[in-house]
Amino acid sequence: GAGVSQSPSNKVTEKGKDVELRCDPISGHTALYWYRQSLGQGLEFLIYFQGNSAPDKSGLPSDRFSAERTGGSVSTLTIQRTQQEDSAVYLCASSLTPGPGTEAFFGQGTRLTVV
Amino acid sequence: GESVGLHLPTLSVQEGDNSIINCAYSNSASDYFIWYKQESGKGPQFIIDIRSNMDKRQGQRVTVLLNKTVKHLSLQIAATQPGDSAVYFCAEFKGSGGSYIPTFGRGTSLIVHP
Repeated sequence: GAGVSQSPSNKVTEKGKDVELRCDPISGHTALYWYRQSLGQGLEFLIYFQGNSAPDKSGLPSDRFSAERTGGSVSTLTIQRTQQEDSAVYLCASSLTPGPGTEAFFGQGTRLTVV
Repeated sequence: GESVGLHLPTLSVQEGDNSIINCAYSNSASDYFIWYKQESGKGPQFIIDIRSNMDKRQGQRVTVLLNKTVKHLSLQIAATQPGDSAVYFCAEFKGSGGSYIPTFGRGTSLIVHP
């Protein structure tokens, strides 16, 4: 596709339910990032995938959060037993190869609301 | 409703003025920096980048300055337009243990008055 695509664009879920957020990176991009943005805040790093390497999960806030990247392309971020503090915009980005000079392109984000 | 910029540092300028947005980054080992623009309801968009071996880089109406001594980055927007109204983030990149992850600053809300 032309850019990073995320779905759904909006998700409302009840507290305690599990949710899955999807990211389709730009074709051929080897690096993929997930960020969380709470209202009025900056971008909080969650997880990073690079090629076939083990993902960097150092930003995941709890064990309720997990992510997969299948076939080096599509990624799914799963939040189990959602809590109200999980409400935020979840942003995905991809870059061609990690390194100076290669920008990260962002999707539009998924706005998650936990009620 | 509440806007993204409500809790962020805010810079208000008149249309046609020059704007300067500042960012203090955290890691002296960071080797690449990007300024992103985020409009309401959208993901961040690339504006301009600079590598750590440079002090200044110019684009169309935008200039980024990097001062590594004090770990400071600035974005200058010439002849600011209403369409420039958005939240601006700086991102610093640093490689660590095989990862190359951008860390974002808090953001500055730019409001351009016609």
